[in-house]
Amino acid sequence: NAGVTQTPKFRVLKTGQSMTLLCAQDMNHEYMYWYRQDPGMGLRLIHYSVGEGTTAKGEVPDGYNVSRLKKQNFLLGLESAAPSQTSVYFCASLGLAALGTQYFGPGTRLTVL
Amino acid sequence: AQTVTQSQPEMSVQEAETVTLSCTYDTSENNYYLFWYKQPPSRQMILVIRQEAYKQQNATENRFSVNFQKAAKSFSLKISDSQLGDTAMYFCAFIYNFNKFYFGSGTKLNVKP
Repeated sequence: NAGVTQTPKFRVLKTGQSMTLLCAQDMNHEYMYWYRQDPGMGLRLIHYSVGEGTTAKGEVPDGYNVSRLKKQNFLLGLESAAPSQTSVYFCASLGLAALGTQYFGPGTRLTVL
Repeated sequence: AQTVTQSQPEMSVQEAETVTLSCTYDTSENNYYLFWYKQPPSRQMILVIRQEAYKQQNATENRFSVNFQKAAKSFSLKISDSQLGDTAMYFCAFIYNFNKFYFGSGTKLNVKP
């Protein structure tokens, strides 16, 4: 099992450009999450999904959109990147039997110039 | 609103000694989960230990144990026999209802030889 994978691992964007981050999990987990991590701070929840075809806003959703067309994939989109979105992005998944334990991907470092 | 506070931005410990990282949280909920995650320089988020709020017994995983004080809303992590590989950022996390996740700002632990 690969667990949770993220694509790409690094990306540099110019202000105003768009991009999509891909998260994939092979554990058949129901829940998936996108977080951002900024220096000196813990992870903050951007959006999450409780199942295929459903998404919901987290703590810091502005400037991001998500989609979950397949159970194993969760996409995070930036329509018009801003320097404030420079961060490390983590995806995580959680199974209903896992007693709240999330499994994290390796992270994507995004720089917006 | 739920919050998680880690009051020690950085700590140091000698190899083989014991260190305790503190975490307090604020919530009005009764059933929730608490976690400690480790983030080494590779930036991968690694689960260290989990505590279910309905359990009075403190969780233990090998050299890692917690002191869970529900009434005081305190959740400290004790690392015994510290090893060089324990050097990392440690995050305390509070999880409720699988869609409310809050992380502390982290404690950087340095294990010195």
